[in-house]
Amino acid sequence: AQSVTQLGSHVSVSEGALVLLRCNYSSSVPPYLFWYVQYPNQGLQLLLKYTSAATLVKGINGFEAEFKKSETSFHLTKPSAHMSDAAEYFCAVSDTPDGGSQGNLIFGKGTKLSVKP
Amino acid sequence: DTGVSQDPRHKITKRGQNVTFRCDPISEHNRLYWYRQTLGQGPEFLTYFQNEAQLEKSRLLSDRFSAERPKGSFSTLEIQRTEQGDSAMYLCASSLELGAEQYFGPGTRLTVT
Repeated sequence: AQSVTQLGSHVSVSEGALVLLRCNYSSSVPPYLFWYVQYPNQGLQLLLKYTSAATLVKGINGFEAEFKKSETSFHLTKPSAHMSDAAEYFCAVSDTPDGGSQGNLIFGKGTKLSVKP
Repeated sequence: DTGVSQDPRHKITKRGQNVTFRCDPISEHNRLYWYRQTLGQGPEFLTYFQNEAQLEKSRLLSDRFSAERPKGSFSTLEIQRTEQGDSAMYLCASSLELGAEQYFGPGTRLTVT
């Protein structure tokens, strides 16, 4: 069975500071990993995904994530936070590249990011 | 292309009533998914269609829930005899094919009073 744990339901950073959102996964097969962002009253938007190519994945809006198999982690980072980054972020795991062949995207509980001016 | 659309965006209903939600996927996307998101939780998979065929259903989808996708286009999710525990955001997503990204709609927020 696969699962995702996101450490910290709420993270607050100052504008311009480093953003670090933590995600640890559990999977019995090589995982495919995703980060989604959700703005208030909107659907989820894919930020980036790991599909067994490069372990450092670059996404949209300056975000990146590093797959570390030894730590079973896929933490999301951004060097400098912007006010527009305030949103909820979800980490997800799947056993298929698109998370969709079985419909089984398994999501974490989410981390709400606040950015202080 | 306007993306995945869902209707209504909000629905308030009394316990015991039936409700139906609609999802219009991105045109030509043959895969369509339904998820449920409760407060403080991530989305949970409910069911998935490949064209008009419903290929998988989560155990979360009780007998009171039914989903259809006639002609492989839009999809409907019906909840019969709603309960307060059904209050949640219902998200729809679509993808073009195996290996492609899932695009999510804005969701339908259901409140059962």
